[in-house]
Amino acid sequence: GDSVTQMEGPVTLSEEAFLTINCTYTATGYPSLFWYVQYPGEGLQLLLKATKADDKGSNKGFEATYRKETTSFHLEKGSVQVSDSAVYFCALSEGSNYQLIWGAGTKLIIKP
Amino acid sequence: KAGVTQTPRYLIKTRGQQVTLSCSPISGHRSVSWYQQTPGQGLQFLFEYFSETQRNKGNFPGRFSGRQFSNSRSEMNVSTLELGDSALYLCASSPGQGPTGELFFGEGSRLTVL
Repeated sequence: GDSVTQMEGPVTLSEEAFLTINCTYTATGYPSLFWYVQYPGEGLQLLLKATKADDKGSNKGFEATYRKETTSFHLEKGSVQVSDSAVYFCALSEGSNYQLIWGAGTKLIIKP
Repeated sequence: KAGVTQTPRYLIKTRGQQVTLSCSPISGHRSVSWYQQTPGQGLQFLFEYFSETQRNKGNFPGRFSGRQFSNSRSEMNVSTLELGDSALYLCASSPGQGPTGELFFGEGSRLTVL
């Protein structure tokens, strides 16, 4: 079945460092890919998405490119802030399942 | 515009009891999904409703059930609670008829089973 694999956390960085959180997927068809973020004590929020190969999703300085050849959707940010500390989830949606398949989540800790 | 509202936010139950959780979607959203979040299993899909019809169900036992009302509000019920049902239950709504994957989540209902 479909699955999403994320790098394990926590990931600890200093403010203004470059961020990469790896995400790879397995799917039988052509899924849409998403990054969601969960700040402490809050529900999940959609951060960005891509619906087809080579699409780049971007929001709040975060970017991710849908790479079909490597089945990846890595999240990047050029300069992280303390306020980016959260748990980041990669997810996919395929066909008419009406559900998201989630990665395990990666906790990001940014130190001032 | 009000977000997704889940009630109650926290609750404690004992094994064998049942629980009902409520979700009010964003106004105009007709699709409501439920997810269970635990440290061990992560986020797992429970079910999704659109216009009072369940369109998909995850791999959970029959003790987990849900429904959606004509005003799009949704409830989920867990009967005969087990310790392993302790989790954060998240509700999400989306506007469209199709499976876009763009979900708007509530803050969740945290259930503790003793």
